[in-house]
Amino acid sequence: GAGVSQSPRYKVAKRGQDVALRCDPISGHVSLFWYQQALGQGPEFLTYFQNEAQLDKSGLPSDRFFAERPEGSVSTLKIQRTQQEDSAVYLCASSPRQGGNVLTFGAGSRLTVL
Amino acid sequence: GQNIDQPTEMTATEGAIVQINCTYQTSGFNGLFWYQQHAGEAPTFLSYNVLDGLEEKGRFSSFLSRSKGYSYLLLKELQMKDSASYLCAVRMNRDDKIIFGKGTRLHILP
Repeated sequence: GAGVSQSPRYKVAKRGQDVALRCDPISGHVSLFWYQQALGQGPEFLTYFQNEAQLDKSGLPSDRFFAERPEGSVSTLKIQRTQQEDSAVYLCASSPRQGGNVLTFGAGSRLTVL
Repeated sequence: GQNIDQPTEMTATEGAIVQINCTYQTSGFNGLFWYQQHAGEAPTFLSYNVLDGLEEKGRFSSFLSRSKGYSYLLLKELQMKDSASYLCAVRMNRDDKIIFGKGTRLHILP
């Protein structure tokens, strides 16, 4: 596609619910990153993939967070048993090659946990 | 740990020049990025420095000193549309993750 597409754009969940956030990167982009951005803060690294391989997941806050990219294209970030502190914008970014310079970001998925 | 510092907020006047500083302490370094983020929107790429020196691109310039762990973004001829957050980010190794600072909110006054 022309850009990085994320869905849903907005998600309201009750505490304890599971959510799944989808990222569709630019076609052919090798690298895919997930970030969490709280209001007024910079993006915090969660995890990243080269093709289907998850090379770094050190930023995932707890074992309730899980990400996958099974075919090296679309990625899903899953959050189980959501908590209020999970409320944030979840940004996905892709870049065309390993170590590529420019990350292109999607518009983000805003998660609100009540 | 990894640390990227930049001022929280800055204010400048339309038509003026502003410099946003960024200092970093990371376990490795393979490039520094600046991104612009308008409220409620995705970050967009502004500049990339991997070698020491100044990179100029139109009204925006970015400087890097690797020995000092320091960069700045210089914005000239400020316009109202430049009101945004400016994010400094570092790639720590060639194939590694990119980490961001907390961002600097720039307010432009008429």
